[in-house]
Amino acid sequence: DAGVIQSPRHEVTEMGQEVTLRCKPISGHNSLFWYRQTMMRGLELLIYFNNNVPIDDSGMPEDRFSAKMPNASFSTLKIQPSEPRDSAVYFCASSYYSGAYGYTFGSGTRLTVV
Amino acid sequence: AQTVTQSQPEMSVQEAETVTLSCTYDTSENNYYLFWYKQPPSRQMILVIRQEAYKQQNATENRFSVNFQKAAKSFSLKISDSQLGDTAMYFCAFMKPDYGGSQGNLIFGKGTKLSVKP
Repeated sequence: DAGVIQSPRHEVTEMGQEVTLRCKPISGHNSLFWYRQTMMRGLELLIYFNNNVPIDDSGMPEDRFSAKMPNASFSTLKIQPSEPRDSAVYFCASSYYSGAYGYTFGSGTRLTVV
Repeated sequence: AQTVTQSQPEMSVQEAETVTLSCTYDTSENNYYLFWYKQPPSRQMILVIRQEAYKQQNATENRFSVNFQKAAKSFSLKISDSQLGDTAMYFCAFMKPDYGGSQGNLIFGKGTKLSVKP
């Protein structure tokens, strides 16, 4: 398996622009997670899905953030409009239903909003 | 709410030596899982080792082992025969399984930056 695939690896955008981050989870994994990593706050869970259904989005910072999972093999995280404080590394991860064996992370997308 | 604390922001060790990274956590749960993840400069988050709270035996993966003290809520990582490739951020993480049918949330500590020196 190719692992969890995220794109793009780097994204630089201007304040106010829409940004879409993409993720392909490992085939057969039931759960998908979006995390954000910053120096100040560390790794924070933004949202997670079970069987394509959003379960907990309490970590989504504002209405500017939205996430979708239209099918088992694809998810997006969208920021509209983007702001400089959204600059961070965004990770997607997936796991089997229980998560007992840990999550498999993608390589992350480094987002810079200027 | 569960919290995970890593009290050592940075550590260094000489190549071939042994180093121990500390982690403590706070929970009222009896059953849970603990993990150590490694994040090298490449940014990839890599699972190093996992521990099930109901197992008393400490987990071991090659040069990596843990000292799990459930009563003290402590979960330290020992790296033996340190190698240059072990240089990375190390994150301790806690997960409480949700038996209600949804997924447990993996909660991370702030990390320890480990440098292995030649």
